[in-house]
Amino acid sequence: NAGVMQNPRHLVRRRGQEARLRCSPMKGHSHVYWYRQLPEEGLKFMVYLQKENIIDESGMPKERFSAEFPKEGPSILRIQQVVRGDSAAYFCASSLQQGTGEQYFGPGTRLTVT
Amino acid sequence: GENVEQHPSTLSVQEGDSAVIKCTYSDSASNYFPWYKQELGKRPQLIIDIRSNVGEKKDQRIAVTLNKTAKHFSLHITETQPEDSAVYFCAASKGQAGTALIFGKGTTLSVSS
Repeated sequence: NAGVMQNPRHLVRRRGQEARLRCSPMKGHSHVYWYRQLPEEGLKFMVYLQKENIIDESGMPKERFSAEFPKEGPSILRIQQVVRGDSAAYFCASSLQQGTGEQYFGPGTRLTVT
Repeated sequence: GENVEQHPSTLSVQEGDSAVIKCTYSDSASNYFPWYKQELGKRPQLIIDIRSNVGEKKDQRIAVTLNKTAKHFSLHITETQPEDSAVYFCAASKGQAGTALIFGKGTTLSVSS
């Protein structure tokens, strides 16, 4: 029973490039959440998606960041024109359905912007 | 906006002692409160959670208490072991359970043998 999968685990990008982070939820889970963790800090909510829908994107910066969760395939968090301040660990979590609350986290993608 | 405060930021105990971590939240609509353990370089792992319709929940050496009136909840670890050493995060649901989680800044627990 595979858990939440994320790839790549490590990603290095130069300033101005694009970063694409992928998240495959646990089997049967249709809710995906993205969080960002800066060094020595807690997790900050970015966006909550269900299949083909963005439910809550209140934590996502208005520019350069976008997310999707298509009918088929993984959820993708896209960061355009990366800057050094985007360097962080990006975690996704999934839950079975809205209302259960329990979110299970993937291993994270550590993004480094040089 | 919604906020979760967590204290202390660091906690050092001797093996066998108890450890207590406290959190307060601001959103009165929050009704789901999980606790996560994160080891260095690893994913956050859900260790226990509590919903607003109960005041206390136990799972072996771990217990969580919730006071909805005061908007605070606590994690209690008894008989601590070196493998309990990690960063612990509390969180509160943004409104109803199943929505985003608002996290505290974490407590680094060190258990020395």
